[in-house]
Amino acid sequence: AQSVTQPDIHITVSEGASLELRCNYSYGATPYLFWYVQSPGQGLQLLLKYFSGDTLVQGIKGFEAEFKRSQSSFNLRKPSVHWSDAAEYFCAVDRAQKLVFGQGTRLTINP
Amino acid sequence: DAGVIQSPRHEVTEMGQEVTLRCKPISGHDYLFWYRQTMMRGLELLIYFNNNVPIDDSGMPEDRFSAKMPNASFSTLKIQPSEPRDSAVYFCASSWGLGGGELFFGEGSRLTVL
Repeated sequence: AQSVTQPDIHITVSEGASLELRCNYSYGATPYLFWYVQSPGQGLQLLLKYFSGDTLVQGIKGFEAEFKRSQSSFNLRKPSVHWSDAAEYFCAVDRAQKLVFGQGTRLTINP
Repeated sequence: DAGVIQSPRHEVTEMGQEVTLRCKPISGHDYLFWYRQTMMRGLELLIYFNNNVPIDDSGMPEDRFSAKMPNASFSTLKIQPSEPRDSAVYFCASSWGLGGGELFFGEGSRLTVL
């Protein structure tokens, strides 16, 4: 069965530091992959998505993600985080035209 | 566009009561999804509609849950009777198309069943 794993439940970084959130998927073919962000009390918002082609995709708010087929990974990165990036981040994979979400990674920013 | 609109934002009810959650999708979107979010199980897809027709309800936990979409601008998720384990945040989302289309989420309805 297709699934998504986010190994880190909670990550804390200092403001201005770089960030990498991990995501691994299990799927036979190249899937459609997504990162969503959920701010407290809000719904989810799409950060970026990968369908095919260039394995490095750019998203909103300065985020990027890299698809690595050999590692079945789609990690999210940002060179320098801002306090406003504190939120929960969800990796998702399109399975039979339905989104399956990982458990999420909660990001805390230290001033 | 106002985005996906859900109501109520918060609902507190007693076990055994009927609960109805409402959703207005983004105009022009042909897919509507209901998700449930809990700490234990994360985000679960309950049901989705295409052009007002339910396509897949395999995620609906049990017969106490039902969903309808009488027209393109309105959907309901009903729980009858409600139980404490139904306490969760319920999200509605809509999209144009499937196969990688972006989902637009509402702000959610937080349900507490006492």
